Amino acid sequence: GIQVEQSPPDLILQEGANSTLRCNFSDSVNNLQWFHQNPWGQLINLFYIPSGTKQNGRLSATTVATERYSLLYISSSQTTDSGVYFCAYILTGGGNKLTFGTGTQLKVEL
Amino acid sequence: DAGITQSPRHKVTETGTPVTLRCHQTENHRYMYWYRQDPGHGLRLIHYSYGVKDTDKGEVSDGYSVSRSKTEDFLLTLESATSSQTSVYFCAISADRVNQPQHFGDGTRLSIL
Repeated sequence: GIQVEQSPPDLILQEGANSTLRCNFSDSVNNLQWFHQNPWGQLINLFYIPSGTKQNGRLSATTVATERYSLLYISSSQTTDSGVYFCAYILTGGGNKLTFGTGTQLKVEL
Repeated sequence: DAGITQSPRHKVTETGTPVTLRCHQTENHRYMYWYRQDPGHGLRLIHYSYGVKDTDKGEVSDGYSVSRSKTEDFLLTLESATSSQTSVYFCAISADRVNQPQHFGDGTRLSIL
């Protein structure tokens, strides 16, 4: 199956800093989701982004399917951004099944 | 957020006992999924359902069975729980169209002693 690699695995930021998280795929994918898992364990949908760029407040995401990567940008980070960020690709061929990367652990400090 | 309820939210049980986790949705979505989350592995698909009484295996299905007798409910059963099944279990749903995003429940923390 397609391998998903996320980088960096861990990241510590000062509040107000910007950051870029990366998701690489071993093959082309048709669709991709980004999630934030907060410190309480909830998985929050951030973006569903098969290609192109989307923005939602301080967050934005870009997927370049032909080059097999996606980026998540966090601007003006806040302590509430702490948690784990996952990317996951959606398998084609039915079922909308997800395969997850192992995540980026983000801590935003005051 | 999407109407997904997992029960119980926490459970502690002993090795060898049967355990059933329930996922209930109010969105009338066709697809439902069970994942487990373990340190170092991210989330991995156990089983999924593409309709009432229609289910299929995922990546880590050994030791688990599922049932879906109604659109809104998807049950995950551990027939004889083992310590290796200690994990956090997430249910997810997605709509009946190709390439739709998944939405997740809040998880069930299961400890098997």
